[in-house]
Amino acid sequence: GEDVEQSLFLSVREGDSSVINCTYTDSSSTYLYWYKQEPGAGLQLLTYIFSNMDMKQDQRLTVLLNKKDKHLSLRIADTQTGDSAIYFCAESGSGAGSYQLTFGKGTKLSVIP
Amino acid sequence: DTGVSQDPRHKITKRGQNVTFRCDPISEHNRLYWYRQTLGQGPEFLTYFQNEAQLEKSRLLSDRFSAERPKGSFSTLEIQRTEQGDSAMYLCASSLGGTGGEKLFFGSGTQLSVL
Repeated sequence: GEDVEQSLFLSVREGDSSVINCTYTDSSSTYLYWYKQEPGAGLQLLTYIFSNMDMKQDQRLTVLLNKKDKHLSLRIADTQTGDSAIYFCAESGSGAGSYQLTFGKGTKLSVIP
Repeated sequence: DTGVSQDPRHKITKRGQNVTFRCDPISEHNRLYWYRQTLGQGPEFLTYFQNEAQLEKSRLLSDRFSAERPKGSFSTLEIQRTEQGDSAMYLCASSLGGTGGEKLFFGSGTQLSVL
């Protein structure tokens, strides 16, 4: 079955760049997503990338996709304390199953002032 | 607030009791999803509605779970004869179906504790 894996923790200093990595197994994934979850809150969609793209930039966020290696990364430039949260990578299936997202366990980002 | 709304935010119940949660999606969204999240895990898909039709149910959704979306607006998720293993955050999400990927907007969730 589909599987999405992420490292569990990342710690960076304020102002540095953060890179959160994710690997997935479903080669038919059409879209890949990054969600942010703050304590006691639901998930907030940060950005997403279509599987035929290899890069997407949105302000401080850069998503890189290596489809051959099934590797996705999220780079946050100039990381701020407000970026401290859990970041989830997710993939959607293809065709009739494209509405169903499979999430990783999340990477907890801690930003040190 | 025009986001996804869930009620209640927290629910504590005794094992064996029934509980019901409500979700109000973003008004123009025709798709509605229920996910479950346990501590240290990502959300797991439970079920999906397009308008009022329930189109998919995960095998995680035992016979004790039932979800409805009458009139294609709000949805309810009921758990009968709750068990301690049902303790989790129940997340509702909605999206506007179409091309361009499923951009799910999540509510803040209902945290269920079964004692």
